[in-house]
Amino acid sequence: DTEVTQTPKHLVMGMTNKKSLKCEQHMGHRAMYWYKQKAKKPPELMFVYSYEKLSINESVPSRFSPECPNSSLLNLHLHALQPEDSALYLCASSQLPGTGVDSPLHFGNGTRLTVT
Amino acid sequence: GQNIDQPTEMTATEGAIVQINCTYQTSGFNGLFWYQQHAGEAPTFLSYNVLDGLEEKGRFSSFLSRSKGYSYLLLKELQMKDSASYLCATSGNTGKLIFGQGTTLQVKP
Repeated sequence: DTEVTQTPKHLVMGMTNKKSLKCEQHMGHRAMYWYKQKAKKPPELMFVYSYEKLSINESVPSRFSPECPNSSLLNLHLHALQPEDSALYLCASSQLPGTGVDSPLHFGNGTRLTVT
Repeated sequence: GQNIDQPTEMTATEGAIVQINCTYQTSGFNGLFWYQQHAGEAPTFLSYNVLDGLEEKGRFSSFLSRSKGYSYLLLKELQMKDSASYLCATSGNTGKLIFGQGTTLQVKP
């Protein structure tokens, strides 16, 4: 069982829709991440939140808008997506920002997004 | 920048030993991670090396040579459930965890 919970598990949306992906962790972790993963490819980093502030944006298009309402929650707001944005979107958290032996990433099971 | 290389696919027999290699080039070094990902599931943390040498954790061991930019994951007594993708990852000095392409391991009876 994963300690990082993502909803929904599956999402189908049109290119004109607005939807949100949600992620929740109750491990007291202070860093949260969004990754995008295409089939048979590794996860690609999108955003990093450190102590609830956006610390890294990997040049992600503005149609993806992250939000961190509090230390346990992370959202990804989606608007005007393209079919090529279809992918598995993974949320992760770590105890501290940065990575190390004390701070491996814990991943949620992801949201499988299909843009039609 | 960061560059990570690992084989795309490997096949091994149940009960055998398999070694998955990973070479990397990073600006700075903050550790080498191995993750396991079963199809349709989240990656799960397997091991972390920051110093040279071998770290053993049950059937899985991970080795690091910083001077060679090289790591391997060793899986012993392979089981069918070990069929998965194995991802090598480093963070360099950016604090961002970057993954290699992953090695898909197929364990056959």
